[in-house]
This record gives sequence, C-alpha cells and structure tokens, in this order.
Amino acid sequence: NAGVTQTPKFRVLKTGQSMTLLCAQDMNHEYMYWYRQDPGMGLRLIHYSVGEGTTAKGEVPDGYNVSRLKKQNFLLGLESAAPSQTSVYFCASSYSYQILHFGNGTRLTVT
Amino acid sequence: GESVGLHLPTLSVQEGDNSIINCAYSNSASDYFIWYKQESGKGPQFIIDIRSNMDKRQGQRVTVLLNKTVKHLSLQIAATQPGDSAVYFCAEISGYSTLTFGKGTMLLVSP
Repeated sequence: NAGVTQTPKFRVLKTGQSMTLLCAQDMNHEYMYWYRQDPGMGLRLIHYSVGEGTTAKGEVPDGYNVSRLKKQNFLLGLESAAPSQTSVYFCASSYSYQILHFGNGTRLTVT
Repeated sequence: GESVGLHLPTLSVQEGDNSIINCAYSNSASDYFIWYKQESGKGPQFIIDIRSNMDKRQGQRVTVLLNKTVKHLSLQIAATQPGDSAVYFCAEISGYSTLTFGKGTMLLVSP
C-alpha cells in the first residue's frame, strides 16, 4: 500500500518553462489537495478536488492549474514558471475534509 | 533551498523530558483540530485530532488540550525521544471548509 506518491521528487526549471507534477493515491479517497510549503509560511492550499472531474481554488491558486481526470490522480501544472514558485509542493488525499494523508513532496527550483 | 524549519519558533528539550507545543487559532467557528508531525524531507503525518466538544484527548504518549475560551491548542508529548524531533503543525477546520495550517513549531530533542 503506497499511500500518496508524488513524481518527480526534484525538479529545476528556468523562468518561463512549464511542467506538470503528478500525484497518485491508492486509498480510494475522494478528496485531493495540492499545497506549497515555504520557509516560515506553513502549508498553503493551492487547489483541491472533492471528486473525479472537479477542482476548486485554494488560498494561492494564481499561476497554477490542476486536473482530476481519474479519481486516483491529481495533476498540478505550471504554465510559465516564475522564481516565486520555487517551493516544496505537497499533495494530499483524504476520505473527508479532515484527516489528510500527505506525499513526501516535490522540491521545485525556478531559476 | 532553505529548510522549512528556518524562521520557526523552536522548542529544545532533553530526551526523557515532557514537551508542550502550543498553537493559537484564529477562527472561533473552528470545530475540529489536528496535529501533524513533519520530519525532515517528508510530508506531514497525522498525530492526533480533537473535536470542539472535547477539552482533552489522549493518544500514545501524546495529549491534545483545547481551550476554546482563549482559542488555544496544545500538544503534550510525554518522555520525549530523539525520534520526536520534527516540525509540528496544528490545523483547524470549520464545517465543510478545508484545513488551515499554522506555521509550525520545531521540536529539537537532545540525547
């Protein structure tokens, strides 16, 4: 039972490049989330999904897009990366809004 | 990149001591609270939760106390061990909204 798996683990982008982060969960959870974590800022919600085919904006959605085409996968896209998007990105899933299960993160650097 | 632990309040204890990590929350309507532990290089892990109709809940070596009057939450860890060294986050939720995370406290346990 892998839980929540994020790929890749590390990525370096140049300003203006695009990329997609993949999150996969094998717990049959309805809810999935993307957070970013910056020093001293805690975890901030980017986008989330309450079921297959649905997405919603979180606290810091600008510059990101998401898709939930399959229940087990939640993709986070950066269309034109900026240095301000240098961060550690965490995906999480949950049965309800409450106890979240997190992946181990993707460390993204934008130069 | 910078460690997530930089700029955080830090609690330093000796192995075997009891630790108390505090959290002030902002939303008086919050009705559910969770403590998470995040070890270096990993995603946050669920420790214990408490609902607003409770004042205290105990787990294995951990106790969460909730004081709704002053909007304060605390996590007590008994007989702290080096493996408890991590960043600890409180999170709150109101109704069917998403979790809001605090900025975290770093716990350092020395042998």
